[in-house]
Amino acid sequence: GAGVSQSPRYKVAKRGQDVALRCDPISGHVSLFWYQQALGQGPEFLTYFQNEAQLDKSGLPSDRFFAERPEGSVSTLKIQRTQQEDSAVYLCASSSSIAGVEETQYFGPGTRLLVL
Amino acid sequence: DQQVKQNSPSLSVQEGRISILNCDYTNSMFDYFLWYKKYPAEGPTFLISISSIKDKNEDGRFTVFLNKSAKHLSLHIVPSQPGDSAVYFCAARVTGANNLFFGTGTRLTVIP
Repeated sequence: GAGVSQSPRYKVAKRGQDVALRCDPISGHVSLFWYQQALGQGPEFLTYFQNEAQLDKSGLPSDRFFAERPEGSVSTLKIQRTQQEDSAVYLCASSSSIAGVEETQYFGPGTRLLVL
Repeated sequence: DQQVKQNSPSLSVQEGRISILNCDYTNSMFDYFLWYKKYPAEGPTFLISISSIKDKNEDGRFTVFLNKSAKHLSLHIVPSQPGDSAVYFCAARVTGANNLFFGTGTRLTVIP
């Protein structure tokens, strides 16, 4: 299919380990978003890219979280020195238009991260 | 603070009847609202949206109503079908801002 894909789907990490989560957006989509969804909660915004530019990272919870989209397509969310509170589902979404207009964000299936 | 609230964590409805899912928000700057549906192990899927200049938007069996003065919106599904069983998230955004604010979701179960 031509939807948003994410890998890995599941990741178990030991506390202190670094992890990298990948997002392949819908081809040609300008905007890419990362969200964090804790158990029993709705998704919470982490960061936004317009093409390769990271225009908003206000939702990143700490400097251990880092995201990149170097060529304006695939994006990677990296979490350094993982902590147990980082355990969540990480969702990626993409959109064909720039953020802030009445666009629809299309979500991937998410990566479920469990930090032990 | 939770700017978008879905106070009913779950709802059960008989097949063929109407499902009404509710959402309240606190930020008066929100001007675009969306409903997403989520099945287990999948990402949220866009369902329907409404701009603040409207008070109703309809798409097949799905209708969203917006009451700006009450800061309240609702999603009506009629008739409800077993395949509608999922978690429904309400989301809102300020035009010009980058992110969506989501509620905590309502789990709808449609009983055959």
